[in-house]
Amino acid sequence: NAGVTQTPKFRILKIGQSMTLQCTQDMNHNYMYWYRQDPGMGLKLIYYSVGAGITDKGEVPNGYNVSRSTTEDFPLRLELAAPSQTSVYFCASSYRASGGIYDNEQFFGPGTRLTVL
Amino acid sequence: TQLLEQSPQFLSIQEGENLTVYCNSSSVFSSLQWYRQEPGEGPVLLVTVVTGGEVKKLKRLTFQFGDARKDSSLHITAAQPGDTGLYLCAGAVGTYKYIFGTGTRLKVLA
Repeated sequence: NAGVTQTPKFRILKIGQSMTLQCTQDMNHNYMYWYRQDPGMGLKLIYYSVGAGITDKGEVPNGYNVSRSTTEDFPLRLELAAPSQTSVYFCASSYRASGGIYDNEQFFGPGTRLTVL
Repeated sequence: TQLLEQSPQFLSIQEGENLTVYCNSSSVFSSLQWYRQEPGEGPVLLVTVVTGGEVKKLKRLTFQFGDARKDSSLHITAAQPGDTGLYLCAGAVGTYKYIFGTGTRLKVLA
């Protein structure tokens, strides 16, 4: 089991460029998340998905888009990069059985460090 | 906007000392998790507390969920250099997502 994998590990973008951050999990988890973490801070939820074809906004969705066409993949798209999007991006996944208490562990990927200049 | 405030923000202590980290909110959470994050890696779950007043122990770490399910604490006994890291609390909001705290960066000196 690879767990949650993210690519790329590092990326430098120029203002206005676009890119897609890739996230794949092999644990058959139904829930997936994208967070950003600014230096020395906690994580802010960008988007989440409760299953293939279902996505919803988190706390800081502006400037980002997501899709979830399969259980395994949850890519994050930045359309017009801005310096304010310089951050470390983490993808996470978890499993919750229908009707279960929401106390399931989130498994995180290693992160993508993005700099926008 | 729901917020989880952690205190202290930074903590530097000597090996063998005890410490407590606090996670406070004005909102009620259905469950609360504590994670530890090391540099260059994603957070890793330490514990989940679900019931108000619940206390869980993980070796030298003791976690408590407040009676009203609005706050939590993490107490470390006899801290070791291996405890160094960023500690994050995360409260469950609704059915699908968590709100993360502001983080406490701990450094334990040998």
